[in-house]
Amino acid sequence: AQTVTQSQPEMSVQEAETVTLSCTYDTSESDYYLFWYKQPPSRQMILVIRQEAYKQQNATENRFSVNFQKAAKSFSLKISDSQLGDAAMYFCAYRDNDMRFGAGTRLTVKP
Amino acid sequence: GAGVSQSPSNKVTEKGKDVELRCDPISGHTALYWYRQRLGQGLEFLIYFQGNSAPDKSGLPSDRFSAERTGESVSTLTIQRTQQEDSAVYLCASSLVLTGVEQYFGPGTRLTVT
Repeated sequence: AQTVTQSQPEMSVQEAETVTLSCTYDTSESDYYLFWYKQPPSRQMILVIRQEAYKQQNATENRFSVNFQKAAKSFSLKISDSQLGDAAMYFCAYRDNDMRFGAGTRLTVKP
Repeated sequence: GAGVSQSPSNKVTEKGKDVELRCDPISGHTALYWYRQRLGQGLEFLIYFQGNSAPDKSGLPSDRFSAERTGESVSTLTIQRTQQEDSAVYLCASSLVLTGVEQYFGPGTRLTVT
């Protein structure tokens, strides 16, 4: 079974600084998708970024980018120029036929 | 609708009562998913629907849990004889097709069993 591991239960970053959230996964598949979701206190899960495993180029969405290392099964999220509104729980997710989520990382942004 | 909606937003029930949680997916999305999120934890997959069919029910925590979907639209998650351990946020998501694309989530239903 696929597992997703987020080794950082909590992270903190100063406003305007950069932070990287870690995620590793386990799979025997070669074709799959990876996602980062953000969950603010409102509970709404918001898609931040996605990566197709067959693409070597790292996905980027404005201030959010990933470092996808397929051989290492690593999928980290980098948030640049952190803003107060980035404070939330961040979940890494893996998908082929099923969708599996990590336990989450709580990000605090300090003004 | 514009997004996935769920009702009720919050539900408080007494132990032993039955509850029904509703999910309205994005129009045209054929796949629908239910998750459970206990306080401070990640998402636990419960069940998915492709159309009105749920091929795999093994993710449901116990036989007190059931789900159905009609008209390839609304889905209902029913919990019978609720227990305190059922207290959690229940999230619904939908996607255009079953595999390979992101899921769009509803705001969840917070269930509290007293």
